[in-house]
Parts: sequence; structure tokens; C-alpha cells
Amino acid sequence: DAMVIQNPRYQVTQFGKPVTLSCSQTLNHNVMYWYQQKSSQAPKLLFHYYDKDFNNEADTPDNFQSRRPNTSFCFLDIRSPGLGDAAMYLCATSRPGRVYQETQYFGPGTRLLVL
Amino acid sequence: LAKTTQPISMDSYEGQEVNITCSHNNIATNDYITWYQQFPSQGPRFIIQGYKTKVTNEVASLFIPADRKSSTLSLPRVSLSDTAVYYCLVGELYGGSQGNLIFGKGTKLSVKP
Repeated sequence: DAMVIQNPRYQVTQFGKPVTLSCSQTLNHNVMYWYQQKSSQAPKLLFHYYDKDFNNEADTPDNFQSRRPNTSFCFLDIRSPGLGDAAMYLCATSRPGRVYQETQYFGPGTRLLVL
Repeated sequence: LAKTTQPISMDSYEGQEVNITCSHNNIATNDYITWYQQFPSQGPRFIIQGYKTKVTNEVASLFIPADRKSSTLSLPRVSLSDTAVYYCLVGELYGGSQGNLIFGKGTKLSVKP
């Protein structure tokens, strides 16, 4: 089945130690998104790629970076994780439609714990 | 700034119909209304999307009045497995712009036996 895959499902890192989260998709969608979701809060968009074009949200900290080497893969890099970066990180994809707002397909998320 | 307002929580019983209303007073002409469902420790899942009037699929109905300043998600005959958080999103066609991909606070629906 076509899907959005996130690895790992759980990631533990140390304060200040760089960490990379991975997302892959078999849907061949143009757009890939990264969201941060903290406990009992709504997902918050960090940035997204439309093909190779990177679009950063204005309030996304510089500590968060992203790479998209090809259509299928997208990475979230946290350069110096702080305790406040512990959260669920969600990857989503979409294919812009000509008529309807595109539906986003979400992965299962990676839960990041910072020690 | 979130563009939508929903009740924080709702309670229901199995077999009842549940209606969750979302307010979006500043909805723009090109905006569509989309609802997602999220279970704990999972990513959100698309439920339904509409622009105006009524949309129905196999899991829900979406009612949108003529002024489009609100919308109501209707879940027929809920079961315990419908316990989840439901998010209403309002956004425009992507069309090369960034769009408005902002999740509101969501409504936590609890279904009791």
C-alpha cells in the first residue's frame, strides 16, 4: 500500500546532540511537510517542500532544518536539541489539486525525547 | 493565528449522532474546509472536505451554510473507536502559494458505552 513512513518511531537524544528524523513516501506526492506536535496541542507546521522549493514558516526556529534529496525522502535535522524540542514530529505529503484543496497524508510520527 | 474555533471537548454515547461545529468567520473565497481525525500517538487522518452546502462520504457528513462562516462535521452513530481529536482546517488551494496550513486546537470527542 502507498504510504508515508517515518523512522524511527521513537528517538532519544541528548541535550545539544544533533538528531535527524526521516520520512519517506511511496505516494509520489509533490509536497512534503514537517509538523511538530507537543503533548495535548495541535500540530504546528515547521516547513514544507513543494518539489525542491523549501518554504519555512516564519516562527520556525533556526535550530530546525530540512533536506529533501529526492521526491521520496525528506529529513528533519535538529542541530542542537533542547528540552523544549521534545515532541511528536509528523511528516505529511500532498499532491496539489486543480479543484480541491489537497488532502494531506500523515505518517505515524516520530516521538523525540531529549535527555 | 488560528483561523478556526472549535469546542475543546465533547462527550457522547455509543450509537448517537455527534455534530461538531467549527467557526471560521474570516474564511476567504478560495478557502476549503477540511476535517481530520487524530488518535493518540498517530498522525492525523483525513475525514472529509468541502467548499459549500453538504458533502457526504462513507464516514461523515459536512454541512456548510451559505455564508460559509461555520461548518459542522456530523458523525452518525458513533462507536467507542470514534474517540479521538477532530481538527477543522480552513485553507486555500495550494496554487503555488504557501496556503494556510494551520491546525486549530481541535475537539476532543469522548464516546462512552
